[in-house]
Amino acid sequence: RKEVEQDPGPFNVPEGATVAFNCTYSNSASQSFFWYRQDCRKEPKLLMSVYSSGNEDGRFTAQLNRASQYISLLIRDSKLSDSATYLCVVNSAAYNTDKLIFGTGTRLQVFP
Amino acid sequence: GAVVSQHPSWVICKSGTSVKIECRSLDFQATTMFWYRQFPKQSLMLMATSNEGSKATYEQGVEKDKFLINHASLTLSTLTVTSAHPEDSSFYICSARVKGQRSSYNEQFFGPGTRLTVL
Repeated sequence: RKEVEQDPGPFNVPEGATVAFNCTYSNSASQSFFWYRQDCRKEPKLLMSVYSSGNEDGRFTAQLNRASQYISLLIRDSKLSDSATYLCVVNSAAYNTDKLIFGTGTRLQVFP
Repeated sequence: GAVVSQHPSWVICKSGTSVKIECRSLDFQATTMFWYRQFPKQSLMLMATSNEGSKATYEQGVEKDKFLINHASLTLSTLTVTSAHPEDSSFYICSARVKGQRSSYNEQFFGPGTRLTVL
């Protein structure tokens, strides 16, 4: 089983739609969670950290469910510029390490 | 702030040659830098963790004699792909963690990547 699993998509949605991505992680001891965005042939860029209480940044809302080992990202009012691959990222839970484990990403395509 | 640069951005080389990729933190000091590799349509895979002034820690399956890492200063780490072969063609990305940042916070700042093509 992969440490971080995501639906690869693609999710094709019209502008203005709300879309949600899910991610599961296998190691219950993981401490830090992130969503990164990666455009084609570019490096990943941090979109937002995910906190236990859930957090929102503009049109983006992230949720964490530790009991189910599940992370979500909700994008409201999708824009064409939101088209990208969204990477679910979890820190390695091994002692004294700060490795990040990346999911394979979920591809979003927003169309006019 | 927190800008990481990589050089070169792309490189094409013949099989058997060695290629050096530089990763620099431009406006902060980074005690730890990470080297990743990403094949098409796959996730980023960590190759090694590089700590300033000490030997790099390689992930399982990554040959340390083939991928030489040097982290000589708090702002520079280099990855040398020795005797490159076509199967080494990939997107190599480095990242850096800010010195003094709690490891539990764990945010990493990524370089723009280096696309290596080995003919």
